[in-house]
Amino acid sequence: TQLLEQSPQFLSIQEGENLTVYCNSSSVFSSLQWYRQEPGEGPVLLVTVVTGGEVKKLKRLTFQFGDARKDSSLHITAAQPGDTGLYLCAGVNDYKLSFGAGTTVTVRA
Amino acid sequence: GAVVSQHPSWVICKSGTSVKIECRSLDFQATTMFWYRQFPKQSLMLMATSNEGSKATYEQGVEKDKFLINHASLTLSTLTVTSAHPEDSSFYICSALSGSSYNEQFFGPGTRLTVL
Repeated sequence: TQLLEQSPQFLSIQEGENLTVYCNSSSVFSSLQWYRQEPGEGPVLLVTVVTGGEVKKLKRLTFQFGDARKDSSLHITAAQPGDTGLYLCAGVNDYKLSFGAGTTVTVRA
Repeated sequence: GAVVSQHPSWVICKSGTSVKIECRSLDFQATTMFWYRQFPKQSLMLMATSNEGSKATYEQGVEKDKFLINHASLTLSTLTVTSAHPEDSSFYICSALSGSSYNEQFFGPGTRLTVL
């Protein structure tokens, strides 16, 4: 059973469009992380959100952590083909990560 | 940033043989490392927590006698898949705990294991 539910599972958009990926859980986490993984490689950390209600921006990526620290979203503005990849959220408790099932994002040129 | 390497990057073996995968933290010391398994089109599932100088802690459902973990130094953890079978074929990924304020985990590039 996945502690973290991600939606959608797959997302295919045209270059220049916006997209949002959601990560929801019934559990509270001390922090939540977002990763991006390319095929055949390990995941790479994008951001860590710690405080309920926190919003972090990294260039075209905006991350939000829910007030109750159970859910999060990743929004990409003006997506580019280089944004293609598997996006994973992970809840953090006691140094352990619980990963969501992932969202496969494809940005078409 | 911190770098974690894995060796080999891929391995093919016959059913019944054992395979050892190495995970190294290259520019920092890691008292704690983690081993994950990822099946095709699925997420990462934590297998075990590897602690330097002590026994590994395995997640529920993971056979400790089949997946032997040795964390003999602050920069090296090894995972040995004993008597491998085709169902053990998977992508094995390690991570090392940085010890930073967020206790960030840095992931290795993964090892693709194929058991024939």
